Amino acid sequence: QSALTQPASVSGSPGQSMTISCTGTSSDVGNYNLVSWYQHHPGKAPKLMIYEVSKWPSGVSNRFSGSKSANTASLTISGLQAEDEADYYCCSYAGSSTWVFGGGTKLTVL
Amino acid sequence: EVQLVESGGGLVQPGRSLRLSCAVARSTFDDYAMHWVRQTPGKGLEWVSGISWDSGSIGYADSVKGRFTISRDNGKNSLYLQMNSLRAEDTALYYCAKGLSSRWNYSSFDIWGQGTMVTVST
Repeated sequence: QSALTQPASVSGSPGQSMTISCTGTSSDVGNYNLVSWYQHHPGKAPKLMIYEVSKWPSGVSNRFSGSKSANTASLTISGLQAEDEADYYCCSYAGSSTWVFGGGTKLTVL
Repeated sequence: EVQLVESGGGLVQPGRSLRLSCAVARSTFDDYAMHWVRQTPGKGLEWVSGISWDSGSIGYADSVKGRFTISRDNGKNSLYLQMNSLRAEDTALYYCAKGLSSRWNYSSFDIWGQGTMVTVST
């Protein structure tokens, strides 16, 4: 159960698009279409943004989109806004009723 | 709106035990998988344990296997985490989280509580 690999930080200007990668293995990301993404503002509960690689939960903006290729999943945020500044975590099912998170990526909107 | 409220955290000495609870309001609790996820100070999220809607499937992170036990009481709309042989590295904010899809054990975590803090220290 090794953590998925995410960049520690990314930054972009308002209006730009940003992509955060999440690299796992053939035992987790590559083996299941069960990757999700969470937005976490400090002091608040994490919020589900994308599930099952590319699906939107009710109420989440379609500025957020997800994709996957082999062992790497990606979260793309289009039209960056100040309120998008947060920590983002990917998570994948890893078999045998277990899940694994990525190390998290701090998004800064310049 | 579904609400999850964790309780039971606190300061505990290494080697001792603690039991966390998560009360679920305004939901058909017994139709959903439930999970515990923790965040260590200054670090990221770590999935700790999960239990299926019918308690038939249970999983643990390697870091807690053999020391922590997850359970649920559907009659009380409650989730539990019994933590034994606690270590300093278990110090974290513990969240409970609800599965998104009814009666499906592979769904993401759509609703989270605010967390309860566990500090393991002498």
